[in-house]
Amino acid sequence: KAGVTQTPRYLIKTRGQQVTLSCSPISGHRSVSWYQQTPGQGLQFLFEYFSETQRNKGNFPGRFSGRQFSNSRSEMNVSTLELGDSALYLCASSAFPGQGPNIQYFGAGTRLSVL
Amino acid sequence: TQLLEQSPQFLSIQEGENLTVYCNSSSVFSSLQWYRQEPGEGPVLLVTVVTGGEVKKLKRLTFQFGDARKDSSLHITAAQPGDTGLYLCAGARNTDKLIFGTGTRLQVFP
Repeated sequence: KAGVTQTPRYLIKTRGQQVTLSCSPISGHRSVSWYQQTPGQGLQFLFEYFSETQRNKGNFPGRFSGRQFSNSRSEMNVSTLELGDSALYLCASSAFPGQGPNIQYFGAGTRLSVL
Repeated sequence: TQLLEQSPQFLSIQEGENLTVYCNSSSVFSSLQWYRQEPGEGPVLLVTVVTGGEVKKLKRLTFQFGDARKDSSLHITAAQPGDTGLYLCAGARNTDKLIFGTGTRLQVFP
């Protein structure tokens, strides 16, 4: 069974641009969560999607948005990039959100550098 | 506000030594998970504990959930270079999102 796939692995953008990251969950998983990981703040929750609906949201500005498609694949968009958005963006999928421990299976991440 | 504090933040030891990593909170969690993340990869689940006082063993790793379900510890016996990585605890409160700890970066030297 293939794991969580994130594309691209690396991305370099300049301030003010926008970026779209993609995540394909494990086959059969319907929940996808996005996290931002930085040395200073650690792993911060962005949002979770389940059945194409946003189920949970973290404390990030509206420049960060996401969506989920009918095949459970998810995209995350960041508009008007700032230097502070440089981070590793991780996607995780889970099988049964809301039923027992929320076990997350992570992809390798997309490393975004904003210049 | 970081709800889950891990200590120590960094740990550098020689192969064969024992170590303990702590994960503390003032909040009660319905379950707590431990992940290990290696460079260039995403975190990988090591264990989930759900019952207060629960102890789980995974080879040389021993995980304990506090009686009040507010804290947890990870003990590694006879550490090996392959144990090197970032260790993250993560708590869940019922069906809510996972909250990750601040992380402990472990380096084991041969």
